[in-house]
Amino acid sequence: DADVTQTPRNRITKTGKRIMLECSQTKGHDRMYWYRQDPGLGLRLIYYSFDVKDINKGEISDGYSVSRQAQAKFSLSLESAIPNQTALYFCATSVAGAGELFFGEGSRLTVL
Amino acid sequence: RKEVEQDPGPFNVPEGATVAFNCTYSNSASQSFFWYRQDCRKEPKLLMSVYSSGNEDGRFTAQLNRASQYISLLIRDSKLSDSATYLCVAFTTYNDMRFGAGTRLTVKP
Repeated sequence: DADVTQTPRNRITKTGKRIMLECSQTKGHDRMYWYRQDPGLGLRLIYYSFDVKDINKGEISDGYSVSRQAQAKFSLSLESAIPNQTALYFCATSVAGAGELFFGEGSRLTVL
Repeated sequence: RKEVEQDPGPFNVPEGATVAFNCTYSNSASQSFFWYRQDCRKEPKLLMSVYSSGNEDGRFTAQLNRASQYISLLIRDSKLSDSATYLCVAFTTYNDMRFGAGTRLTVKP
């Protein structure tokens, strides 16, 4: 089983719908992140959390919100999805003081 | 201008070839650098860190040039299994970890 698990892995939805992507980890890491990946743009940070009480906006947070329900769970919500939010979304974790990110397998979201 | 820029490729090379990728970064405050590997439709995984003195891991060699603000990755004796997209990463702090868009490599028999 993956150490960082994302659900759903694939989702097709319509403009205006609310979507939640969930991430859970068994690595015991405090730090969790949500990224989106678009062709030609690379990975861009949406939100990050260094512990349960700490939530921070990343480079492209508009249109997104997050919730850190527990040390092991970090969910990303799109309150009203729009087509330009069609992308591959990755959750990641890391250890404080170390540079390596551990990614989940990704959630491919298509907004029609 | 993107903070981390890479040649998108694709690089198509025969097995056994040596191939090099470069990456430039614009933020002079960047402290640490990494190369990640991403297979098609999979998650990125750390390939290697890049140290100021340069470092080697088997067939892979990474170099950092702070004066010119670029890093490089050299792959010797390419294998079919090296086919992937290679992502260059520069970070200042944990909220400022910038990824390049990636360089695609295809190794052919």
